[in-house]
Amino acid sequence: TQLLEQSPQFLSIQEGENLTVYCNSSSVFSSLQWYRQEPGEGPVLLVTVVTGGEVKKLKRLTFQFGDARKDSSLHITAAQPGDTGLYLCAGAETSYDKVIFGPGTSLSVIP
Amino acid sequence: EAGVAQSPRYKIIEKRQSVAFWCNPISGHATLYWYQQILGQGPKLLIQFQNNGVVDDSQLPKDRFSAERLKGVDSTLKIQPAKLEDSAVYLCASSFLAGFNRGQETQYFGPGTRLLVL
Repeated sequence: TQLLEQSPQFLSIQEGENLTVYCNSSSVFSSLQWYRQEPGEGPVLLVTVVTGGEVKKLKRLTFQFGDARKDSSLHITAAQPGDTGLYLCAGAETSYDKVIFGPGTSLSVIP
Repeated sequence: EAGVAQSPRYKIIEKRQSVAFWCNPISGHATLYWYQQILGQGPKLLIQFQNNGVVDDSQLPKDRFSAERLKGVDSTLKIQPAKLEDSAVYLCASSFLAGFNRGQETQYFGPGTRLLVL
């Protein structure tokens, strides 16, 4: 059974701090995605990574896919209150599998 | 471009009652998904449609849940009868591609329907 774990579950930081959240699995994934979900809204896709070791940057956000394609990290530099939300990783083992979501990391950035 | 529309936004019912949710995907999107998101958890796929055909309903509790997408556009999800454990946010999403490489598709989510079963 595919399973994605995320850590930490909750994170509260001050504006301007850096942070990293993690997504781990015992399974190999063909691709991983990161979504952000704001309160009362649906998730919004941030990035898709497909190659082991791949690094993608989106402004202050840096995403990395592990070499073995079993884990991923999201690093935020100089966090801002607008970064507050639930960060979800999602992946599929093969191109034919459905996407499964991790439980998410709830981030709160305090002004 | 209009996003994914869902209604109602909130619903409170008593256990054993019935409830229905409606979703209108982004125009031109062939694939439509229904997810259940229980508080503190990530979304769990209930059913995926490709046009008006079902691609995956392996996690849909078919004894009480049903869904249809009759004309390949909008969709309804029904729960009959509801149980306490059905309290959750029901998210609808759509994607443009054929749905065969699901892990790399961009899913566009609606705002969800928050269901509370008392």
